[in-house]
Parts: sequence; C-alpha cells; structure tokens
Amino acid sequence: DVKVTQSSRYLVKRTGEKVFLECVQDMDHENMFWYRQDPGLGLRLIYFSYDVKMKEKGDIPEGYSVSREKKERFSLILESASTNQTSMYLCASSLSRENQPQHFGDGTRLSIL
Amino acid sequence: KQEVTQIPAALSVPEGENLVLNCSFTDSAIYNLQWFRQDPGKGLTSLLLIQSSQREQTSGRLNASLDKSSGRSTLYIAASQPGDSATYLCAVKGYNAGKSTFGDGTTLTVKP
Repeated sequence: DVKVTQSSRYLVKRTGEKVFLECVQDMDHENMFWYRQDPGLGLRLIYFSYDVKMKEKGDIPEGYSVSREKKERFSLILESASTNQTSMYLCASSLSRENQPQHFGDGTRLSIL
Repeated sequence: KQEVTQIPAALSVPEGENLVLNCSFTDSAIYNLQWFRQDPGKGLTSLLLIQSSQREQTSGRLNASLDKSSGRSTLYIAASQPGDSATYLCAVKGYNAGKSTFGDGTTLTVKP
C-alpha cells in the first residue's frame, strides 16, 4: 500500500513565523502535490512537483514556496505566516503516467495565531 | 477552466438503502475521474478511478460510472452502512500537466 506521511497532524504557529510542512511518500512516485482545504472553498492546489527540483504553481501559490530536493520528500514553506493561512493542508502523490490515482496523507491542521 | 460540481451537498439515508452520488464537470477533455472518501479531520482515501475510455469501475459495494460526453459521473453505493458515513469527493484530471480539479463533496450520513 502507498504511504504518504505528513510530519505533523496539528501545528500552531505565530504570525510572521517561517513554517515548514513536510511530506514523505514511500512508493517512488514522480508527482507530488500540496493542497489546502477550507470550508466552502474545497480543495485548492498550491504547488505541485513532477520531478526532483521541479515545481509548478497551482491555483493559489501566493505566500507559499516549495522544495523538492529528494524524490520522496516535498516540503511546503510559509515564508511569513499569516492568519489567513490557517487551514487544513493535504499532501498527495502519484505516478507520472496519466491514469494513476492520487494518494493522500492524513493532513496537517495548521493554526496561525 | 474546469469546474466540478457535486449535488447534493449533504444526504441522509437509512441503513440498507442503495444510493447515488453525483458529480458533473464542464470540460470533457479529461484523462480520468477519481472518487475519494474523506472522514472528518482526515485525508482523502481513493475509492475508484475511471479512465476517460472507460464507462464504469466497481469495487465491492461501490460502482462508479462515467459519461464523458455529458460531463457526468455517478458513485453508486449498494446496501449502505453507518460506516459509509463520510464526505465523498470527485476529482477530474484534465490534460493540463497532471493537475486535478476537485468538487466540494457530498456529505453522506447513513442512519442505523
């Protein structure tokens, strides 16, 4: 079974802090994704990566950056956390072939105070 | 821009009932459509993936269908159980480099 592991289930940070969310997958997937999920707004794609050191902006990249130095790890960085970044963050991965399913981690509920 | 709609937003049924969840999308140029289940406070669990060339997929009590030309998919759940209570989301993968568009989900409650 595919395992996508997010480093924290719950995280509380302060406004202005630099925040790192980590995601690791164990199935040698090429694609990795970061989403945020908010009530009434659904799942929105922040960034995705289709290979090591490669990244593409999703629908809402402002205020975020990402890092993919190794194939199995994809990090989401909040450069200067703000209260409107309080959300549920979900990481996913998939193989690069077209008809491969996405597999999700359990999510990180981040609160910015 | 692809838009994905799931109606109704919430559904409550008695245990044992068969039910259908709906997903519609505006752009039929898709690779596949994936159905997920999400329990409160948790991530998404993949249920079924239907390729654009397929009409349906089955897994246990679940059957998903796809009508690409009309922009619709349904998830059929047979003999529903209280453990099926969750939010069900559909996601459509378009031709734009691996990105998927998600619906807002249907929250299902199965009453014992």
